[in-house]
Amino acid sequence: GAGVSQSPSNKVTEKGKDVELRCDPISGHTALYWYRQSLGQGLEFLIYFQGNSAPDKSGLPSDRFSAERTGGSVSTLTIQRTQQEDSAVYLCASSLAQYREQYFGPGTRLTVT
Amino acid sequence: AQRVTQPEKLLSVFKGAPVELKCNYSYSGSPELFWYVQYSRQRLQLLLRHISRESIKGFTADLNKGETSFHLKKPFAQEEDSAMYYCAPAFTSGTYKYIFGTGTRLKVLA
Repeated sequence: GAGVSQSPSNKVTEKGKDVELRCDPISGHTALYWYRQSLGQGLEFLIYFQGNSAPDKSGLPSDRFSAERTGGSVSTLTIQRTQQEDSAVYLCASSLAQYREQYFGPGTRLTVT
Repeated sequence: AQRVTQPEKLLSVFKGAPVELKCNYSYSGSPELFWYVQYSRQRLQLLLRHISRESIKGFTADLNKGETSFHLKKPFAQEEDSAMYYCAPAFTSGTYKYIFGTGTRLKVLA
């Protein structure tokens, strides 16, 4: 079946602009995660959604970052007033349930100029 | 706070040599333990999960609760093992539940 998909694959934006990144998880996966992958920094957890529960936002670096998941499926990560330090690859993953294997999307490479 | 450490950013070994990728974590409980791998121009994917106790592509990982380590091992490295490897314990309590290590780049030399 189809894996996790993300769009766009690449996004170049000017400092100060808002961006939206989209994630389509695997159908039936109740858990959805967003991570940020920066050069030399590994994967940084951002936010986690599980079913209808309140999301775990403990990893969001600032209030410029927000995410929502509509209908328990598609998720959108929004970064407002982008800064150059936001430049990174943003990865989405989904899993059948919490603490199970995560399936990753191809990522969105964000470049803030 | 929970933490995971992969001390080596880069590990180079010759083909046929044994390889050990180190992972240490700090957590008072029992985490679910995973190793993920990212080959060049491919997605991050699961390599193995501790609970399944299986060997994938010749790799195994043993949990040492006393040392809180989950090192990844392979007796004979192959060139196709060259990739980025991430240790990822999933902590079932506490603030930082979904932590990935900073990764170790493995280069297997011919």
